[in-house]
Order: sequence, then structure tokens, then C-alpha cells
Amino acid sequence: RKEVEQDPGPFNVPEGATVAFNCTYSNSASQSFFWYRQDCRKEPKLLMSVYSSGNEDGRFTAQLNRASQYISLLIRDSKLSDSATYLCAAAGGTSYGKLTFGQGTILTVHP
Amino acid sequence: DADVTQTPRNRITKTGKRIMLECSQTKGHDRMYWYRQDPGLGLRLIYYSFDVKDINKGEISDGYSVSRQAQAKFSLSLESAIPNQTALYFCATSDGWERPQHFGDGTRLSIL
Repeated sequence: RKEVEQDPGPFNVPEGATVAFNCTYSNSASQSFFWYRQDCRKEPKLLMSVYSSGNEDGRFTAQLNRASQYISLLIRDSKLSDSATYLCAAAGGTSYGKLTFGQGTILTVHP
Repeated sequence: DADVTQTPRNRITKTGKRIMLECSQTKGHDRMYWYRQDPGLGLRLIYYSFDVKDINKGEISDGYSVSRQAQAKFSLSLESAIPNQTALYFCATSDGWERPQHFGDGTRLSIL
């Protein structure tokens, strides 16, 4: 089992839709989690950090469920510009200062 | 100017050549990382360094070596390049335990 797993998608949604991605992690000692956005063949860019139960930034909400060991990313009112790959990452515990990344979830927002 | 700069941005070379990818940062972070990304395989850690005197192997270090010349500089070398090292390479930095990493623009490397 991979340490961090994501549904690769692709998710195809119309503009204005709400879409949610889940990311599961296997290392219960993980303490910090991150969502990154990556455009095609470009660098991952930090979207959101999650240190406790959740975080919200505008249209984006991340939630952490430690009991079930998953984090979610909710995007409301999707824009065409939200089309990208979304990577989740886990840090802490036995990973000793490293991040473990999921494979990424592809989102396409269409008109 | 970018906080994390990688050079070159693109490189095409032949099997057996020695290649160096360079990374420099102005963020003042102690920790630096090298990853490669391949389609369907995600980001895989090659080497990482928590300070100038600290070098650690990641999950796929075979065929690679690194040098941490200064706090701000971390270079990755392929001693004798082979075609399956064709990939997108990223350098990243962070400022501490369980902190997010910040990525450079990437180097697209093709080995023929």
C-alpha cells in the first residue's frame, strides 16, 4: 500500500461546480499535510497547509480526518483556471523531515 | 526573481555523459531536496540535505550524486547518464520539520 494515495481522476466538472478530492495516508504518525497545485509540466505550487482539523482559503477548503486518516480538498465555484493536477503530501512522524506525495488528481473544468 | 532557481531549464544529452543540475535559493532555508517526476509515478525523492554538512539518500538515489556547496546551493549530478533518467527534475526547499516545500521551476532532462 502506498503511503499517500489519491484518486487519479480525471475529474471533469463544469464551471461553477463544487468538486472534492480525497487523499488517504497510511502513516498514523504524520502530523502535517499539504495540498499543491501543479500545471502541466510545471512546478508544484503550495495551495494550502493543514496542521489541525482544516483550513479554508477563499473557494478552497481542506479538511483533515485523523481517525480515518484522510485529508480532503473542496473547491467551490470551479473556474476554468482551476484545471490542474492536485497533489497531496504528508509530513512528520517517521518520514523525518520529508514529504511523501500522492500521485495527484487531475481536474478539468469545462465551460 | 524566483526564490528557487534551477539551471538548466532544459537539457538534451547523450547516454554516458556526465550532467550536473544546479539549484540555488534565496529563501534562506536550510533544507533542500531533489526530486524527479515521471508520468504515472509522481514525485520521487532522490537526495535531501538538512544543512551544509548533511546529505541523505532518498528512495531512488542510485545513479545520482549531490553536493551541498553552501546553504543556498544544492547540485545534482548524473555521473553517467542513461535513457531511463529522462525525466522532469525539481529542486525544493523548506525551513523546518513538517513545513511545506517550495519548488523550483524544474529541469527537463532528455537522455538519448
